[in-house]
Amino acid sequence: EVQLVESGGGLVQPGGSLRLSCAGSGFTFSTHWMSWVRQAPGKGLEWVANIKQDGGEKGYVDSVKGRFTISRDNAKNSLYLQMNSLRAEDTAVYYCARSYFSRALFDSWGQGTLVTVSS
Amino acid sequence: DIVVTQSPDSPAVSLGERATINCKSSQSVLYSSNNQDYLAWYQQKPGQPPKLLIYWASTRESGVPDRFSGSGSGTDFTLTISSLQAEDVAVYYCQQYYDTPYTFGQGTKLEIK
Repeated sequence: EVQLVESGGGLVQPGGSLRLSCAGSGFTFSTHWMSWVRQAPGKGLEWVANIKQDGGEKGYVDSVKGRFTISRDNAKNSLYLQMNSLRAEDTAVYYCARSYFSRALFDSWGQGTLVTVSS
Repeated sequence: DIVVTQSPDSPAVSLGERATINCKSSQSVLYSSNNQDYLAWYQQKPGQPPKLLIYWASTRESGVPDRFSGSGSGTDFTLTISSLQAEDVAVYYCQQYYDTPYTFGQGTKLEIK
């Protein structure tokens, strides 16, 4: 069974940093594009970033470029999101999502981790 | 950026009746080299992550009941639930995976009449 488990969320002050992790199991992690997708409280879904199987290609939504960095460690079956210079508008549940058939078609999702940016 | 717009926002449908949700993209998501529409539908229930229902605009994900179907091509798409069940109450999102940034519609909250 495919499992994605996020961790690392919490309360952080504006301008602060946080690192999210996602542990994958039940599938060959190294053969899939992986993404982070977020959902602000009571709002819709927003793709944040994705990373190719070998980490050699990455993409970001404009609103996080220069502040967030996606990375992966295939030996540990893990995906990461380093978030710097956090803003109130970054407050959301952050989901880790696996892609298949195409780099941004999400067939499996974690349960999400809540990031709250507030003073 | 490709803007994806869903309609209606929050329809109410009677149990056993047909439910239809529309999705329109600001530009075509049909990739000519493989003749595939890069359009997916997801279902999200309260407190849960989204679940993939339909991809390539009309291919049902494994395990999804056959009352769910997708249609359309280019810029206009439809998700149809042929006979609404109580467990189908959820928010439905369409998403284009044709080009970055990969964008979702605003969501359609389906309720029972």
